Amino acid sequence: KAGVTQTPRYLIKTRGQQVTLSCSPISGHRSVSWYQQTPGQGLQFLFEYFSETQRNKGNFPGRFSGRQFSNSRSEMNVSTLELGDSALYLCASSLAGVIYEQYFGPGTRLTVT
Amino acid sequence: DQQVKQNSPSLSVQEGRISILNCDYTNSMFDYFLWYKKYPAEGPTFLISISSIKDKNEDGRFTVFLNKSAKHLSLHIVPSQPGDSAVYFCAASAPQGAQKLVFGQGTRLTINP
Repeated sequence: KAGVTQTPRYLIKTRGQQVTLSCSPISGHRSVSWYQQTPGQGLQFLFEYFSETQRNKGNFPGRFSGRQFSNSRSEMNVSTLELGDSALYLCASSLAGVIYEQYFGPGTRLTVT
Repeated sequence: DQQVKQNSPSLSVQEGRISILNCDYTNSMFDYFLWYKKYPAEGPTFLISISSIKDKNEDGRFTVFLNKSAKHLSLHIVPSQPGDSAVYFCAASAPQGAQKLVFGQGTRLTINP
């Protein structure tokens, strides 16, 4: 079956702009999580959605938001971009939650200039 | 506050030998631990997990050991193969944050022929 897909794969934005990233989970998976990966901080949990509800959120400012649609597809949005938001954003899906085997997408590489 | 730490950024092991990757945590509420492997330009892939009610879990060449009193876990790979060269992340979850994973910074494992 098809894996987790993320679009776009690469993105260049300017400070102050906003960006929307998309994630399509594996068919049948209802949990979608988002992570930010940077060289200095490793993978940091952003939030997790299950059946269109955000169940948990990491320690990120309110500029980072997300949502999940009825077909389990998810989007995350970052408003008022800062240089420090440059990172690889990873989406992962699982049947029921993060402690179960998660399948990660290839990520979206965001560069803020 | 880094609750999950992988103190070795890199590790080099000869093919056929044992690779031991270490991970320490500070939050005594963590009760579920996972290891992920990541190749360049790909998302992490799930390797193995362990619940805090166990002290060992095996899956083929991979074994995870948990020492709760020391708040330490390790991943053993025996025998190491060239395809094991990747970045390895440990992650932990706590009951109240069951839908949130805390990752370590990762250890780059290189298997030398």
